[in-house]
Amino acid sequence: DQQVKQNSPSLSVQEGRISILNCDYTNSMFDYFLWYKKYPAEGPTFLISISSIKDKNEDGRFTVFLNKSAKHLSLHIVPSQPGDSAVYFCAASGGGGADGLTFGKGTHLIIQP
Amino acid sequence: DTGVSQDPRHKITKRGQNVTFRCDPISEHNRLYWYRQTLGQGPEFLTYFQNEAQLEKSRLLSDRFSAERPKGSFSTLEIQRTEQGDSAMYLCANIPWDGANVLTFGAGSRLTVL
Repeated sequence: DQQVKQNSPSLSVQEGRISILNCDYTNSMFDYFLWYKKYPAEGPTFLISISSIKDKNEDGRFTVFLNKSAKHLSLHIVPSQPGDSAVYFCAASGGGGADGLTFGKGTHLIIQP
Repeated sequence: DTGVSQDPRHKITKRGQNVTFRCDPISEHNRLYWYRQTLGQGPEFLTYFQNEAQLEKSRLLSDRFSAERPKGSFSTLEIQRTEQGDSAMYLCANIPWDGANVLTFGAGSRLTVL
């Protein structure tokens, strides 16, 4: 039972345009959401997060939006750069357990020159 | 290097052999997690430690899997009698204090079982 879902396995975006990565969750007890970025042969690295009391958090080119009623969050990258090509994981915490984070399956973002 | 260190980075073994992975966490980060990642999936929680105490281990994949964290410092994850289905990336991560939400991951140990 996937509690965090990323329904797009891959996404191709032209350099300079906006990349939008989507994530849905089912556990209403989640209260903190994170995005991680992963390059091949490396561990995931933290990118940006948002608490459930907010609906937007911005850090440079990265903005995360949270829609609690829809149980949906998205990551916007503007403008997209070649170095952004990586797998992006959506993760959530606070689901009533102490399991750290629950991750989605990831979206492979490819930035085309 | 003050990040999470994992060793070995890649292990190739034959089915039935035992393997052990080591994780050296960020110093003074008291909560340590082990995750497994298979191809096309996100990291999957296995177990975690608060200092030397293993507080959750019901999600270890089978009784062939065990983890230790003696003295609350480095941790080891052992897989006995490996099977081909154990082939995956094994990730270690730290949280600096209770209530913190951001996991800092190591680069992982990739296991290939032939």
